[in-house]
Amino acid sequence: KAGVTQTPRYLIKTRGQQVTLSCSPISGHRSVSWYQQTPGQGLQFLFEYFSETQRNKGNFPGRFSGRQFSNSRSEMNVSTLELGDSALYLCASSRGDGDTEAFFGQGTRLTVV
Amino acid sequence: TQLLEQSPQFLSIQEGENLTVYCNSSSVFSSLQWYRQEPGEGPVLLVTVVTGGEVKKLKRLTFQFGDARKDSSLHITAAQPGDTGLYLCAGQAMEYGNKLVFGAGTILRVKS
Repeated sequence: KAGVTQTPRYLIKTRGQQVTLSCSPISGHRSVSWYQQTPGQGLQFLFEYFSETQRNKGNFPGRFSGRQFSNSRSEMNVSTLELGDSALYLCASSRGDGDTEAFFGQGTRLTVV
Repeated sequence: TQLLEQSPQFLSIQEGENLTVYCNSSSVFSSLQWYRQEPGEGPVLLVTVVTGGEVKKLKRLTFQFGDARKDSSLHITAAQPGDTGLYLCAGQAMEYGNKLVFGAGTILRVKS
């Protein structure tokens, strides 16, 4: 079966702009989690969506938001981009029924200049 | 402070050597997973352990979950250059809202 698909793979934005990243989970998976990965901080949890509802949230400012559609596809949005938002953004798909085995996409590499 | 402490942070060894990576916490986890990540790619799930004392083998990799479910180890026998990557442990615990929390990772480099 198809894996987790994230688009785009690479993105360059300027400070102050906003960006939307997309994630298509594995078919049948209802949970999508988003992570930010940087060399200094490692993998930081942003939020989790399950059945179109945010189920968990990490400690990120309100500039980071997300949503999930009825087909389980998810998007995350970052507004008013800052240089420090440059990172690899990873999406992970799981069944969401208490089973947390996560299957990751290849990520979106965001560079803010 | 990381909820899951991994050690060592970096490991550079010669092909054929053995190594062990550790993942420790003061919290009890209902399950713990190990992932391997290569540069520019997402982490790939290697194994999930759920029972205290559980040992799982995946070819040359041996994973162990501590009896108290607070720690885990990954042992690689006869490391190969293809084992090079970032090894991440991740766990699920009720006190963290049952979301998956990750350690900072161990960067392994195997030289030929």
